[in-house]
Amino acid sequence: TQLLEQSPQFLSIQEGENLTVYCNSSSVFSSLQWYRQEPGEGPVLLVTVVTGGEVKKLKRLTFQFGDARKDSSLHITAAQPGDTGLYLCAGANWETSGSRLTFGEGTQLTVNP
Amino acid sequence: DVKVTQSSRYLVKRTGEKVFLECVQDMDHENMFWYRQDPGLGLRLIYFSYDVKMKEKGDIPEGYSVSREKKERFSLILESASTNQTSMYLCASWVNTEAFFGQGTRLTVV
Repeated sequence: TQLLEQSPQFLSIQEGENLTVYCNSSSVFSSLQWYRQEPGEGPVLLVTVVTGGEVKKLKRLTFQFGDARKDSSLHITAAQPGDTGLYLCAGANWETSGSRLTFGEGTQLTVNP
Repeated sequence: DVKVTQSSRYLVKRTGEKVFLECVQDMDHENMFWYRQDPGLGLRLIYFSYDVKMKEKGDIPEGYSVSREKKERFSLILESASTNQTSMYLCASWVNTEAFFGQGTRLTVV
């Protein structure tokens, strides 16, 4: 089983601050995704990265896939209370595991007004 | 929009009962998954299916079974519910590197 470790597990910050969430593994992934989950709902996809070194931006969110495709980071600039939620990374290795998607433990982010 | 619908948002069942959790997707996706989500453990894969009548065990299949008789429907079965199966259960369908999740079923076994 491929494992994904997220850090930190909990993060509480003030509105306007910047933050970074990390997702690390010893395994190589074909693609890595970031999801956001709100209480009582299922996760919703934010972004997919597939190329080593790839950087994607989604408004104030910047996602990076490591060169070796074993790790990823999510950086939020000037966090807002609406960013509060559970952030999950997930990876797939099409060659070894087919369509099986492995999730990290999640990072619970709270942005205080 | 892709829609994944789980039959119940909340369920309370007694120990030893047989429990059925239903999931339906409307986009003709081949791949469907069942996860359980527990605090600090993230989403753990129970079973997945890549075609009708095809299924594969995930990381924690013990105590569960699945059924996929039609492409759009993937059912999770708890053969004899136990208190350690109290959890949030999430169904997803998957296409082109994106997973679409249902709203989840919070199951409590008493």
